[in-house]
Amino acid sequence: AQTVTQSQPEMSVQEAETVTLSCTYDTSESDYYLFWYKQPPSRQMILVIRQEAYKQQNATENRFSVNFQKAAKSFSLKISDSQLGDAAMYFCAYRSPSGSARQLTFGSGTQLTVLP
Amino acid sequence: NAGVTQTPKFQVLKTGQSMTLQCAQDMNHNSMYWYRQDPGMGLRLIYYSASEGTTDKGEVPNGYNVSRLNKREFSLRLESAAPSQTSVYFCASSVGASSYNEQFFGPGTRLTVL
Repeated sequence: AQTVTQSQPEMSVQEAETVTLSCTYDTSESDYYLFWYKQPPSRQMILVIRQEAYKQQNATENRFSVNFQKAAKSFSLKISDSQLGDAAMYFCAYRSPSGSARQLTFGSGTQLTVLP
Repeated sequence: NAGVTQTPKFQVLKTGQSMTLQCAQDMNHNSMYWYRQDPGMGLRLIYYSASEGTTDKGEVPNGYNVSRLNKREFSLRLESAAPSQTSVYFCASSVGASSYNEQFFGPGTRLTVL
């Protein structure tokens, strides 16, 4: 079974600065998908960015980018020019391309605080 | 366009009571999911429905049943609630069950079982 580990329960960043959230995963599959979700205080889960394992190029969405290291099974999220609205719980998630459930396997989350 | 809606938002039950959590989506999605989120943990899949008329177990199905009523609605039932089922429950939907498809989440239901 796949596992996802987020080793930073809490992080903080000054407004306008850059922060990197870490995520590692364990899998024996060669093809899969990785996601970062944001959960603000409203509890609504919002997709931030996704990466396909067979693509070597790191995904980017505006101020959000990932550093995908397939051999190291690492998938970190970089937030540039941090804004107050970025404060939230961030979850890293893994999804297999096969299997009966194709379920999302989530990490335990990193609580990000943005300091004004 | 409401996306994914869930009712109720909050619920308190006594041990042994039953209840049904309702979920509806208006995006014409084929696949729907039920997750639970416990403190300090990510979401875990309870049941999912890849398409109308089908349902399958996820990672933590014990103590739950589901019904895919139609394409829009997917309900989760607790037949005899237990304190271990105290959690926040999320419903989600996606265009299809493909791993690439984005899952859209509802706002969650906070359930407490006393």
